[in-house]
Amino acid sequence: NAGVTQTPKFQVLKTGQSMTLQCAQDMNHEYMSWYRQDPGMGLRLIHYSVGAGITDQGEVPNGYNVSRSTTEDFPLRLLSAAPSQTSVYFCASSYTDFRDETQYFGPGTRLLVL
Amino acid sequence: QKEVEQDPGPLSVPEGAIVSLNCTYSNSAFQYFMWYRQYSRKGPELLMYTYSSGNKEDGRFTAQVDKSSKYISLFIRDSQPSDSATYLCAMTLQGAQKLVFGQGTRLTINP
Repeated sequence: NAGVTQTPKFQVLKTGQSMTLQCAQDMNHEYMSWYRQDPGMGLRLIHYSVGAGITDQGEVPNGYNVSRSTTEDFPLRLLSAAPSQTSVYFCASSYTDFRDETQYFGPGTRLLVL
Repeated sequence: QKEVEQDPGPLSVPEGAIVSLNCTYSNSAFQYFMWYRQYSRKGPELLMYTYSSGNKEDGRFTAQVDKSSKYISLFIRDSQPSDSATYLCAMTLQGAQKLVFGQGTRLTINP
């Protein structure tokens, strides 16, 4: 199993540009989520999904969109990038039926918005 | 006030020392408590997981939960340079799956 994969590893954007951060998992996990990590702030939940076709907002959803068309993929879209979105983004996945409470994290995408 | 508070450090100790990392929380409904380890430029990886008050031991690591005081701790015995990382506490409600993280403590073990 590859686990949770994220692409790209690093991206530089100009203010106002759009992009999609990709996340995929091959563990057949129902639950997937996106976090951002900023210095001194820990990880904060952006959006999450409990299964294909179902998404919901987390703590800091503004400026981000998500969709979940398959179990494996959970892309995060920035429609109009802002410097405040400069951060490291992590995708995570897990089961939802208490077989395993562990959330598995991807390697992260470093985003710089100029 | 943040739901989960964690001293960001940095914390620097000599090799072999006992390390104590702590978090406090305000939401008494939290039931599942985790410690993640994050090496530089990597994603967090689960280190310890517990859902009850008391101690849980795994090798050199002990996780302690005191629900009455809303306080959790991670102890590292015989610390090694390879333990140098950022340690994040996280907690969640039963069945919620949404993790609430502390700020993370940056730990350095000096040889």
